[in-house]
Amino acid sequence: QKEVEQDPGPLSVPEGAIVSLNCTYSNSAFQYFMWYRQYSRKGPELLMYTYSSGNKEDGRFTAQVDKSSKYISLFIRDSQPSDSATYLCAMNNQGGKLIFGQGTELSVKP
Amino acid sequence: AAGVIQSPRHLIKEKRETATLKCYPIPRHDTVYWYQQGPGQDPQFLISFYEKMQSDKGSIPDRFSAQQFSDYHSELNMSSLELGDSALYFCASSLGRTANNEQFFGPGTRLTVL
Repeated sequence: QKEVEQDPGPLSVPEGAIVSLNCTYSNSAFQYFMWYRQYSRKGPELLMYTYSSGNKEDGRFTAQVDKSSKYISLFIRDSQPSDSATYLCAMNNQGGKLIFGQGTELSVKP
Repeated sequence: AAGVIQSPRHLIKEKRETATLKCYPIPRHDTVYWYQQGPGQDPQFLISFYEKMQSDKGSIPDRFSAQQFSDYHSELNMSSLELGDSALYFCASSLGRTANNEQFFGPGTRLTVL
């Protein structure tokens, strides 16, 4: 079983919808949680970076961490066709190496 | 702002050949990470360097080696290439090697082994 589980989708929503992306993890030592966006054949782009349980908001994006449930989420409000990409959750503990989820492929239809 | 630079962007090799991938981190970043992403897969950590010393090692085959140079750029050397080595290879850099240092990824090198 992978340390980080993420539903690979694909997820298709209409433009303007609220998107919810989720990951669960098994290693309670994970302390830092990230969301990356990856367009086809491109490098992952850091979207959100959180440490503690709670919410962090940046524009249309909100990252939520619940350490007690080992569950993290990314919400995208007013989704746009340009948000169509693969979203990867990632996390690490004391060391730097990132452990990724499988990625969720999101398609936002005009 | 300057980003992570990787070269070459695309590489085609035959089985049993060797390949060298290069990574130039963001200026002032002292830590480099290498990841391998197979088709439809998530990136898998290979190896990392901090201040020119190996700092962590993941699922990197013995056929692969890497190093970080005095200017902080890094090279991943791959020998006896196999078909299964075909993947996207990403380099990421950060300022510092601890978990609270954000990693920024390069555009990747797409390696195809025929």
